[in-house]
Amino acid sequence: DGGITQSPKYLFRKEGQNVTLSCEQNLNHDAMYWYRQDPGQGLRLIYYSQIVNDFQKGDIAEGYSVSREKKESFPLTVTSAQKNPTAFYLCASSTRGVFESQPQHFGDGTRLSIL
Amino acid sequence: SQQGEEDPQALSIQEGENATMNCSYKTSINNLQWYRQNSGRGLVHLILIRSNEREKHSGRLRVTLDTSKKSSSLLITASRAADTASYFCARLDSNYQLIWGAGTKLIIKP
Repeated sequence: DGGITQSPKYLFRKEGQNVTLSCEQNLNHDAMYWYRQDPGQGLRLIYYSQIVNDFQKGDIAEGYSVSREKKESFPLTVTSAQKNPTAFYLCASSTRGVFESQPQHFGDGTRLSIL
Repeated sequence: SQQGEEDPQALSIQEGENATMNCSYKTSINNLQWYRQNSGRGLVHLILIRSNEREKHSGRLRVTLDTSKKSSSLLITASRAADTASYFCARLDSNYQLIWGAGTKLIIKP
């Protein structure tokens, strides 16, 4: 079945550590997104990518980095510069260019906590 | 970016009743989408309604859009326990930014 796979499901970060969240899709989608979700709030966009080797900052990119070396993969690194990383991170994809009138397909998220 | 307003924040109803959730916004839109999120899971797309459409149906779901009032509603008829989830609206504004509401938490009591 086609879909988006995020791993790990749970992740713990130590002080000063960078951690990387994996996102893989086999839907052949061009666009991919990373969102952060905090309790009681809507999704906030961290980064998005329309094609391989291209990505753009979203509303809350500070302290995060991404890469898009393959169409299927869009990993997110939470760096030590992100002082409040505890949140639920969601990866999504859509068929065509970013923010066109296409629904987004989501993975099941990674919950990141501070040790 | 400016989030949409959803109300109510939480809704608890008996199984079999209808549930209505609302989403209001302040700027013009290209389209508005509704998503469902089960606890601890990703979001699932339900319905996309374009700015020139007034109503769309999908099974027990009905979405309306009133661009003059800048609001949309999601109606779930004959609710089931499996409908228990959080429901989010997301609007694509005129700058092609997707703006998410804070969600309505729906609980269906058996």
